[in-house]
Amino acid sequence: DSGVTQTPKHLITATGQRVTLRCSPRSGDLSVYWYQQSLDQGLQFLIQYYNGEERAKGNILERFSAQQFPDLHSELNLSSLELGDSALYFCASSARMGNEQFFGPGTRLTVL
Amino acid sequence: AQSVAQPEDQVNVAEGNPLTVKCTYSVSGNPYLFWYVQYPNRGLQFLLKYITGDNLVKGSYGFEAEFNKSQTSFHLKKPSALVSDSALYFCAVRDDSGAGSYQLTFGKGTKLSVIP
Repeated sequence: DSGVTQTPKHLITATGQRVTLRCSPRSGDLSVYWYQQSLDQGLQFLIQYYNGEERAKGNILERFSAQQFPDLHSELNLSSLELGDSALYFCASSARMGNEQFFGPGTRLTVL
Repeated sequence: AQSVAQPEDQVNVAEGNPLTVKCTYSVSGNPYLFWYVQYPNRGLQFLLKYITGDNLVKGSYGFEAEFNKSQTSFHLKKPSALVSDSALYFCAVRDDSGAGSYQLTFGKGTKLSVIP
């Protein structure tokens, strides 16, 4: 158990809908990262937050957004969902930027 | 831009034999290198990292990795494979060029199968 929690574990929704994925980092970790894992794209970095502020953006679509709250938990919002958004979404946290990242169990999103 | 290559999609090894999972990298600055393992329907688990210093890095579950700067490689090794080592292994790199971005760039993964 990495200490990073993600909810929900599974999410099934329809095209065009909006969902929110939630992540709680390890106790004391200030940095949160979001990744998408799909069969065709592999593991791709989406976005990073550090102590509430956005620090880096990767291959994140404009339909996707994220934020980190004062209690350091983070949410990833996915809107206008398409079939191709079906994937595993991982959250990771680290104590400091650049340290090894510890991954949550992921949220499996299925868009029908 | 930083990148990682894992040239083998799959590696098969007999139980008790040594195993190697290959990784090569490309970065503009100093490399920070990581290995992660993913079991089915689980998140990624951190195995080991190279930042600086000794080229042979020891990690969890008996794994180690050898950093080779001239060959830009960071191969994962284990002297004696276990059936329970069967999983998907990811190599990752973080560019330490000071650009301020600390995300990891992952390879495509290598599926390791240890045959009893």
